[in-house]
Amino acid sequence: GNSVTQMEGPVTLSEEAFLTINCTYTATGYPSLFWYVQYPGEGLQLLLKATKADDKGSNKGFEATYRKETTSFHLEKGSVQVSDSAVYFCALSAGGTSYGKLTFGQGTILTVHP
Amino acid sequence: DTAVSQTPKYLVTQMGNDKSIKCEQNLGHDTMYWYKQDSKKFLKIMFSYNNKELIINETVPNRFSPKSPDKAHLNLHINSLELGDSAVYFCASRGTGGSGYTFGSGTRLTVV
Repeated sequence: GNSVTQMEGPVTLSEEAFLTINCTYTATGYPSLFWYVQYPGEGLQLLLKATKADDKGSNKGFEATYRKETTSFHLEKGSVQVSDSAVYFCALSAGGTSYGKLTFGQGTILTVHP
Repeated sequence: DTAVSQTPKYLVTQMGNDKSIKCEQNLGHDTMYWYKQDSKKFLKIMFSYNNKELIINETVPNRFSPKSPDKAHLNLHINSLELGDSAVYFCASRGTGGSGYTFGSGTRLTVV
């Protein structure tokens, strides 16, 4: 079946540090890949997505590139802010009989200190 | 206007009770989902409906019963609540043509 593996958290950084959260996946076919963010006490918000190999998703300074050869979709940001503190989820959506359901990684808690 | 709205936001109830969570979307999407987020933040699909038809039912105890009266609504009824049902339940919807998913703000269920 489909699966998503994220790097273990929590991740603690100082403001303006570089962020990488690793994500690898296993899926049949050609899934779409997503990063979602969950701020404390809130629901999930789509951060960025990529629908085919070599696509780069970007939003709010975050980027991730769909790498089919390494089955990865690592999230990066050059300079994090305190307001980026949240839980980040990597997810995939495959076609066929999965009916578009999202398969999530386990989430990575990010804390950014001033 | 809220795109996907869930009610209630918080629900505290005793073991053995029956409760419902409601979800409505005003995006015109055809497909709706229920996800469960456990205490470790792990998210897992429970059910999905496409235009009022059940299309995904993931190994969920039959105490959980989804109901979709129309494509804009997907409710979740839970019978005989157990301590292990305590979690945050998220409703989501998805349109066609590559449009993304929109999540509700979640319902935090606490069974005591």
